[in-house]
Amino acid sequence: QKEVEQNSGPLSVPEGAIASLNCTYSDRVSQSFFWYRQYSGKSPELIMSIYSNGDKEDGRFTAQLNKASQYVSLLIRDSQPSDSATYLCAVKVQGAQKLVFGQGTRLTINP
Amino acid sequence: DTAVSQTPKYLVTQMGNDKSIKCEQNLGHDTMYWYKQDSKKFLKIMFSYNNKELIINETVPNRFSPKSPDKAHLNLHINSLELGDSAVYFCASSQPGGGLTSGYTFGSGTRLTVV
Repeated sequence: QKEVEQNSGPLSVPEGAIASLNCTYSDRVSQSFFWYRQYSGKSPELIMSIYSNGDKEDGRFTAQLNKASQYVSLLIRDSQPSDSATYLCAVKVQGAQKLVFGQGTRLTINP
Repeated sequence: DTAVSQTPKYLVTQMGNDKSIKCEQNLGHDTMYWYKQDSKKFLKIMFSYNNKELIINETVPNRFSPKSPDKAHLNLHINSLELGDSAVYFCASSQPGGGLTSGYTFGSGTRLTVV
């Protein structure tokens, strides 16, 4: 089983709708969770981090964490064509000094 | 000012050659990393250095040798390049101790193509 799993997509969402990206992880001692956005040919950039159960909001982005279900998600409200990118979920395991990434979900926002 | 800079951005070379990629960060971070991103966008850690000391070596062939002359620099030397080494290599850095919600800052990447 992969440590961090994401649906590779592509996920197509109409402009203005809510895009929902999901990620599951296998290691129960995972400590904190990150969402990165990567445009084609560019480097990953950090969008949000979360380490407590529940929701965390930042502008149009909401990260949701459920440690019991080992599940983390990212919601993008009022999706814009500029949100079209690959979204990478990453997990930091307690005691390990590394981020483990999922394979990414390619998101396309259709005008 | 660029926070994490890598050179070169593109590298095309023949099989069997030796090449190096350089990385520098001006964020004052103590920990630096090399990640490899394959054609399917999967980002996998290769090495991690904390204040010039190797702390992670993820079953990478010993043709790959990282070097950290100081905590702001982390270089990657690759001997006897193979076709399968073709990928994008990202350098990254993070705050001292990593922090609970401290993510990594990535460099712009080096696209290595072995022909």
